[in-house]
Amino acid sequence: GGIITQTPKFLIGQEGQKLTLKCQQNFNHDTMYWYRQDSGKGLRLIYYSITENDLQKGDLSEGYDASREKKSSFSLTVTSAQKNEMAVFLCASSIARAGNSDYTFGSGTRLLVI
Amino acid sequence: GQQVQQSPASLVLQEGENAELQCNFSTSLNSMQWFYQRPGGSLVSLFYNPSGTKHSGRLTSTTVIKERRSSLHISSSQTTDSGTYLCALEFNTGNYKYVFGAGTRLKVIA
Repeated sequence: GGIITQTPKFLIGQEGQKLTLKCQQNFNHDTMYWYRQDSGKGLRLIYYSITENDLQKGDLSEGYDASREKKSSFSLTVTSAQKNEMAVFLCASSIARAGNSDYTFGSGTRLLVI
Repeated sequence: GQQVQQSPASLVLQEGENAELQCNFSTSLNSMQWFYQRPGGSLVSLFYNPSGTKHSGRLTSTTVIKERRSSLHISSSQTTDSGTYLCALEFNTGNYKYVFGAGTRLKVIA
């Protein structure tokens, strides 16, 4: 079976700092996604990528950059961390063929900005 | 626009009771998936169910496209069922991206 791995699991940053989160999958999935989840709320899409070197903005892309360096990895950068920001960032991947978008999620990166 | 509404927002059950969670959507869709999230945990896929009925143990998912709804039925609830249940929908946009509902927070007490 495959696995999707997010690093780091916990990230503490300082206000204004640039922070990078990484995601790796070995499912050979075409599409990868970055979501943000705030406490008690649903998921909001930040960026996604349908193939290597592709990048598509989601609903929450402002303040973030992303990079799909190769098919198996997708990284997310918080360009300037906001003080007291606290959220979970979830990476997912899927085959993303028509009528089959079965997602698999990573275990998340928990961010705290002090 | 594409809307996803989950109900109820929260639910408390006595162990052994059944639950029916609803996910309603505004336009036609390509895919839908039900996820479970334990507090502080990641999302675990329960069902990939764009149409029809699927069963897994005590869980049943039914998606009726023409009525624009999907339901998740939990029978004989257990305390370990506590957590958040999220529905995710891919609409007919060709973008292969899900829109998530806000979730139903379930607490099952002994």
